[in-house]
Amino acid sequence: DSGVTQTPKHLITATGQRVTLRCSPRSGDLSVYWYQQSLDQGLQFLIQYYNGEERAKGNILERFSAQQFPDLHSELNLSSLELGDSALYFCASSVVEGPDTQYFGPGTRLTVL
Amino acid sequence: DQQVKQNSPSLSVQEGRISILNCDYTNSMFDYFLWYKKYPAEGPTFLISISSIKDKNEDGRFTVFLNKSAKHLSLHIVPSQPGDSAVYFCAASSGNTPLVFGKGTRLSVIA
Repeated sequence: DSGVTQTPKHLITATGQRVTLRCSPRSGDLSVYWYQQSLDQGLQFLIQYYNGEERAKGNILERFSAQQFPDLHSELNLSSLELGDSALYFCASSVVEGPDTQYFGPGTRLTVL
Repeated sequence: DQQVKQNSPSLSVQEGRISILNCDYTNSMFDYFLWYKKYPAEGPTFLISISSIKDKNEDGRFTVFLNKSAKHLSLHIVPSQPGDSAVYFCAASSGNTPLVFGKGTRLSVIA
C-alpha cells in the first residue's frame, strides 16, 4: 500500500459526459501528479500540483482540468468525454516539488461507451 | 518524440537466472532515473533510482547501471523470482521537470 488513495476504482460513462476523479496523497506529501495510461502506452504525464498551485503541465487536453485543494487532495475533471479517453488514470504524490520518488495510487479505470 | 525508450516489450527468464531490462534515453539533460514495477490492477511501485553522478546503485536483488555516454540504463534482477513477473517502467527527469516514462517491459519469470 503506497498510502495514495484514488476513487473511484472503476468508472463507466457515456460519450459527452463529465466525470471527476479524486486523489488523496500520502500524508506529508505536497506534490500531486496525474498520469494517463492508455492501452499499450506508457504513463503519460498530465499535470502536477504543489501545495495547491499548478507546477507543470504535460499532454493534458483542454477538456481536462485539475485542482489541488487546501487539504492537499486533488481532483481531475474530464469533460465532453470521447471514446479515446478510456484509460487508466493514476495519481502519484511526492514530498517535494522537484524530482523525487513518486508514490502511485491504484488508479481509476475509466471506460467511455 | 519518445525521450525514454524501452525497446523490448517483453522478456522471459527462468527462475534463478538474471533478468536484464534495458532503457535508452535521448535527452542529455536527464539527471535522475528511476525504475518502477507494475502488477495488473495496481499502480506502479517504486523499485530503485540513480542520479547521474553515480553509475551504479544496488538494493538487494536489484541493481541499476547508468552509462551516461551511451544514454543507457539497465536494471538487473538477480536471482529472478516468479513474483518479479510484472511490467517494469523506466523513468527519467531533469531539474524540476516531471518524470518521463518509457512504455514498459513485461517480465515473465518462469518457474
